Amino acid sequence: GESVGLHLPTLSVQEGDNSIINCAYSNSASDYFIWYKQESGKGPQFIIDIRSNMDKRQGQRVTVLLNKTVKHLSLQIAATQPGDSAVYFCAEPHHSKLTFGTGTRLQVTL
Amino acid sequence: GAVVSQHPSWVICKSGTSVKIECRSLDFQATTMFWYRQFPKQSLMLMATSNEGSKATYEQGVEKDKFLINHASLTLSTLTVTSAHPEDSSFYICSASPKTDTQYFGPGTRLTVL
Repeated sequence: GESVGLHLPTLSVQEGDNSIINCAYSNSASDYFIWYKQESGKGPQFIIDIRSNMDKRQGQRVTVLLNKTVKHLSLQIAATQPGDSAVYFCAEPHHSKLTFGTGTRLQVTL
Repeated sequence: GAVVSQHPSWVICKSGTSVKIECRSLDFQATTMFWYRQFPKQSLMLMATSNEGSKATYEQGVEKDKFLINHASLTLSTLTVTSAHPEDSSFYICSASPKTDTQYFGPGTRLTVL
C-alpha cells in the first residue's frame, strides 16, 4: 500500500550547522509533497511543498529536494537555529486527505 | 491569513462525561475540515473528514457514535467526544481546507480524561 515514511526518528544538530531530514515514499504516482514542522504542544505548521515536476524548491533557509527515481525527498535547513527544534513530518495529499510520515525530531544543540 | 483556532486548548474531564472541541477558520471559508488525533511521540492520525452541511466521513476504526462531528458552517466544525474514557486522552488537532490539497492546522486541544 501507499506509505510515507522517514528514515531517522531523531536528529541532533549543532546550532549553525545544516540539517537534513529525509523521507521515503512508496507510490510512484505521488505528485505532491508537503513538509510540516510541529513544535511541542502545537499543531503542524506548513514549511514548504514541492510538486513532482520539480526536483528542488527553495524557501527561506529551507530547501526541499525530490528524487523521483528512488522515491525520496529531503528537507534541508540551513544554519540551524534553536527555534528549529521540533518534529518534522513529510506528508502526501491523496484525494484531499493527508498521509503523514512518522516524523523526525530535530534537536538543536548549543 | 489562513488562521485556524481551536477551543479549548486543553480540557480535563471525568470519565463518562462528554467534551466538545471547536475548530474555527478565522479568515477564510473551509469547504472541508479534518479531525486528527495524536498520541505522544506519534504521528497524526486522521479520524474523520467533514464537509459543511453533510455527514462526516470517518476513517476505519474510528467510532462515529463516540466521536460526533458537526460542520454547521463554512467556518466552524465541532468534535464531541462522548462518554470519554482515559484511553481517549490525546491531542486532538483540526485542520481546515479552503481548496483541494491545502490544509491549515489548528493549535490542537489536549484532552485528559481522569
